[in-house]
Amino acid sequence: DARVTQTPRDKVTEMGQEVTMRCQPILGHNTVFWYRQTMMQGLELLAYFRNRAPLDDSGMPKDRFSAEMPDATLATLKIQPSEPRDSAVYFCASGSSMTSGGTDTQYFGPGTRLTVL
Amino acid sequence: KNEVEQSPQNLTAQEGEFITINCSYSVGISALHWLQQHPGGGIVSLFMLSSGKKKHGRLIATINIQEKHSSLHITASHPRDSAVYICAVRLKWGGGADGLTFGKGTHLIIQP
Repeated sequence: DARVTQTPRDKVTEMGQEVTMRCQPILGHNTVFWYRQTMMQGLELLAYFRNRAPLDDSGMPKDRFSAEMPDATLATLKIQPSEPRDSAVYFCASGSSMTSGGTDTQYFGPGTRLTVL
Repeated sequence: KNEVEQSPQNLTAQEGEFITINCSYSVGISALHWLQQHPGGGIVSLFMLSSGKKKHGRLIATINIQEKHSSLHITASHPRDSAVYICAVRLKWGGGADGLTFGKGTHLIIQP
């Protein structure tokens, strides 16, 4: 049963610390998305990659957030320095897409619950 | 104004009732997704629609592209259907847009 995996599942840190979240997409999927969920804003797109290339990171605060795909089996989202307003659940999702079209079904990971004190 | 609006925000119903959740959007889209978020937080994709209707078990999703409206129906509702149902749209392809824009969700409780 193929699944998207995310680590860590929970992270509590202090303001100013660096946070790294990891995602392993489903093998064979070529598109990876990072979303953030808060009570106030709901779910929001942060960034996404296709074939490891970043296509859109307009939803990310550029000064402190960075997203990378060092290889096809790993996507990372880093926050440096972290702030209390970054507290949220961060979801990774993966899917397959053709070059000429968008991604069909997106498969979500279990999320990383981040608390910044 | 949000690009994706869902109604109702909260819905409590009795087991066996027919449930309808509505989603309206204000932008051109290439696809619409219905997602289910369980009380534990996990998100599952239920449907992806670009036209017409899809059915899976007791769930039915419809979309009217001209009216920019979609509905999710649950027949013979059951307490295990209790979850948050989220409508999300994929903006019209061509600009490379592929990430989803989400509604705020409908919190559904089915009482035994």
